[in-house]
Amino acid sequence: DAKTTQPNSMESNEEEPVHLPCNHSTISGTDYIHWYRQLPSQGPEYVIHGLTSNVNNRMASLAIAEDRKSSTLILHRATLRDAAVYYCIPGRGGGNKLTFGTGTQLKVEL
Amino acid sequence: GAGVSQSPSNKVTEKGKDVELRCDPISGHTALYWYRQRLGQGLEFLIYFQGNSAPDKSGLPSDRFSAERTGESVSTLTIQRTQQEDSAVYLCASSRRSGSYNEQFFGPGTRLTVL
Repeated sequence: DAKTTQPNSMESNEEEPVHLPCNHSTISGTDYIHWYRQLPSQGPEYVIHGLTSNVNNRMASLAIAEDRKSSTLILHRATLRDAAVYYCIPGRGGGNKLTFGTGTQLKVEL
Repeated sequence: GAGVSQSPSNKVTEKGKDVELRCDPISGHTALYWYRQRLGQGLEFLIYFQGNSAPDKSGLPSDRFSAERTGESVSTLTIQRTQQEDSAVYLCASSRRSGSYNEQFFGPGTRLTVL
């Protein structure tokens, strides 16, 4: 499994954009980049995934570096409900196990 | 629709006792996963089911841990002779197994405390 490096924690103010970085320099050519988040006292939930191109969905955007060795999850307007641990997970497509690291704890303040 | 459900939500047991944790996946999801999350840590993969077979058991930490699944529905994770280091939140997830990408949907977990 590819190793990932994420900041332990980040802070943001409500209504501001948040950029959560992830380094995955050993990612294989066929690995997706998955992002999940875990709200307090809940199981993780899927946020977004990508392979090579940048991706947008209703929750977030994912910007993938051209060499695929890093990616950035973008929350366009953080809310208090976005306070969670965000996990960047390189790995094969759906149907395979996810290898979670320790993630980034995002704190959102008024 | 209904999500992944797990029971019990909390379980306190004494060292040496056996425990059973249950997972009900989303209807129609053929893939089912068990993970463990110790306090303050990320999730550790335990086992993966495709239907009722388990092609990947690589994460089970010892032979005290076992799991089974009935068809494409409920799964049970059993821990025999529990130890204090087994204390953790046990999470179950399910996903479809068709199409190009299938995200995993997680249940709320079972918090296991071994005294």
